[in-house]
Amino acid sequence: EAQVTQNPRYLITVTGKKLTVTCSQNMNHEYMSWYRQDPGLGLRQIYYSMNVEVTDKGDVPEGYKVSRKEKRNFPLILESPSPNQTSLYFCASRRGAYGYTFGSGTRLTVV
Amino acid sequence: AQSVTQPDIHITVSEGASLELRCNYSYGATPYLFWYVQSPGQGLQLLLKYFSGDTLVQGIKGFEAEFKRSQSSFNLRKPSVHWSDAAEYFCAVGLSNSGGSNYKLTFGKGTLLTVNP
Repeated sequence: EAQVTQNPRYLITVTGKKLTVTCSQNMNHEYMSWYRQDPGLGLRQIYYSMNVEVTDKGDVPEGYKVSRKEKRNFPLILESPSPNQTSLYFCASRRGAYGYTFGSGTRLTVV
Repeated sequence: AQSVTQPDIHITVSEGASLELRCNYSYGATPYLFWYVQSPGQGLQLLLKYFSGDTLVQGIKGFEAEFKRSQSSFNLRKPSVHWSDAAEYFCAVGLSNSGGSNYKLTFGKGTLLTVNP
């Protein structure tokens, strides 16, 4: 089944403890992206990648890192999480100009 | 900067009634246009998209949308709503400097649809 897989689905962590949210797609898509969703703010793009080793900042990149060493994987790294990064995170991928396929989301709570 | 406006935060309709969700964008060029739906606790699913050509596009689940260049709008419609359509709907706009597929996708803040029996 064609899909975008994120792990974990739920995560509670403490301030300052580094974490990684994994994202993998099995559709050979060139483009991948991370969004965060917050009530009243909709979805905002954190980072996106046009292909292997090519990434760029979205609208809210502060406090996040990404890497794209393989086409299928696009992990999101929080080096020192803070409570304002508590959010629902979505990874997505697409081929060419077509619409994104989204993962099921990762609900992160930073205490 | 590009922006997407969904004027209605919450809409309530009765089952069987028609539906129109509004979306406006601000940018000089014609962008790629999308509608997504998010059911509670789920990710986003693509309903339909517009790139060029016929301004009335058909999507999944009986939805359609019409692009109106003069109004910078891309409203989503459904003739008869089902209870299972209750969800949050997001309009999204993709703009590319080069005209190709390297576009940045910006979302509206969403419209929550409630369906009364």
